[in-house]
Amino acid sequence: NAGVMQNPRHLVRRRGQEARLRCSPMKGHSHVYWYRQLPEEGLKFMVYLQKENIIDESGMPKERFSAEFPKEGPSILRIQQVVRGDSAAYFCASSPGVQAKRSGYTFGSGTRLTVV
Amino acid sequence: DQQVKQNSPSLSVQEGRISILNCDYTNSMFDYFLWYKKYPAEGPTFLISISSIKDKNEDGRFTVFLNKSAKHLSLHIVPSQPGDSAVYFCAASEGETSGSRLTFGEGTQLTVNP
Repeated sequence: NAGVMQNPRHLVRRRGQEARLRCSPMKGHSHVYWYRQLPEEGLKFMVYLQKENIIDESGMPKERFSAEFPKEGPSILRIQQVVRGDSAAYFCASSPGVQAKRSGYTFGSGTRLTVV
Repeated sequence: DQQVKQNSPSLSVQEGRISILNCDYTNSMFDYFLWYKKYPAEGPTFLISISSIKDKNEDGRFTVFLNKSAKHLSLHIVPSQPGDSAVYFCAASEGETSGSRLTFGEGTQLTVNP
């Protein structure tokens, strides 16, 4: 039962370093979404990608953050020059298509990023 | 601009009783509403959804009610079980032009006491 795989589960970075978060969607899913959960808050949408395309990045901070979903390999969320405020749980979800709203996405277990 | 709000951060009920989790929204363009359950250190798990053209959807112990005029929905769990103890998130989807982006509420921590 290969669900949505995220790695690493925990990531510690010093301020100014780069963080790379990986997400492998469920088999057969070509749509990937990234969400961020700050402490004591709900999940906030960041970006929606299909293979080799960014469909909606309206939730991505304008600077330091980027995402990709290449033809081969996992989706990557990249945070450059991390700051303490980037500390959060980052969740990836996948779906077979836009009908996710009816049946729900499948979420991974998340990557907990701590910036020290 | 919090378009989906869950005003109760926590709820405690006795095993076997009904749990009612509430959610309010402001965006009349939302066309689907979903409920997710989340355990600590895990990702959210989809529970149940409802289209904006319906007023009720039922799946086993879980029923979601939608009151469009009040922009309010609720999740009923009956009977509640200790394993239902988790954080419950209400989420809403806006429509095809926004892809499948979901807007989440802040969550309600449900505790079911044996």
